[in-house]
Amino acid sequence: QLQLQESGPGLVKPSETLSLRCIVSGDSISDGNYYWAWIRQPPGRGLEWIGNVDYKQLTFQNPSLKNRVTISADTSNNQVSLTMTSVTAADEAVYYCARQRTGMDWHDPWGQGTLVTVSS
Amino acid sequence: QSVLTQPPSVSATPGQKVTISCSGSSANIGSKYVSWYKHLPGTVPKLLIYENDRRPSGIPDRFSGSKSGTSATLGITELQTGDEADYYCGTWDNSLNAGVFGGGTKLTVL
Repeated sequence: QLQLQESGPGLVKPSETLSLRCIVSGDSISDGNYYWAWIRQPPGRGLEWIGNVDYKQLTFQNPSLKNRVTISADTSNNQVSLTMTSVTAADEAVYYCARQRTGMDWHDPWGQGTLVTVSS
Repeated sequence: QSVLTQPPSVSATPGQKVTISCSGSSANIGSKYVSWYKHLPGTVPKLLIYENDRRPSGIPDRFSGSKSGTSATLGITELQTGDEADYYCGTWDNSLNAGVFGGGTKLTVL
């Protein structure tokens, strides 16, 4: 059964860099039928798609975050990473990783999510 | 401001039917597949409908999806109190070259 698990520091200082990892088990991220996406939900707000990556490192990103976000795939360790620079309070959110079907663009399954707090 | 527009809230009584709309444009819904998700705060979003009108295994047929032009609709019949949650539509936007979600609709089962 495919499972995704996010991990990373729960607390990041303003202006610093956020780094999260999504470990995938039960299937290989090298399956060309899927991208691996990051999605977040700020407190009290809706879902925001951050970006995705496939096993060949082809990546798409939300234009509103593009200059601050790097998403990469590590096929050796079957995991996906998210790096976001210059974080502010607006980046405080629950961050999810999810499998995204290529061309059909549905997301399933999702990881449990990890809360990131931005505070000094 | 979300690219996809959903009503902030809908409500109905147990046993009734409710529909949730999702409005977009030719760059997204008009040319791409739509999916729907159920999300309870503190839990993992759950895929309800994919590729406009298909249900994953385990999703009851009380849930249905449809698409017409640049709008999509999620239908839920025989409402139960357990259906109370936030519902999101999602798709791809060819202009943004990015995934997009609606702002979410809070369903209250009175």
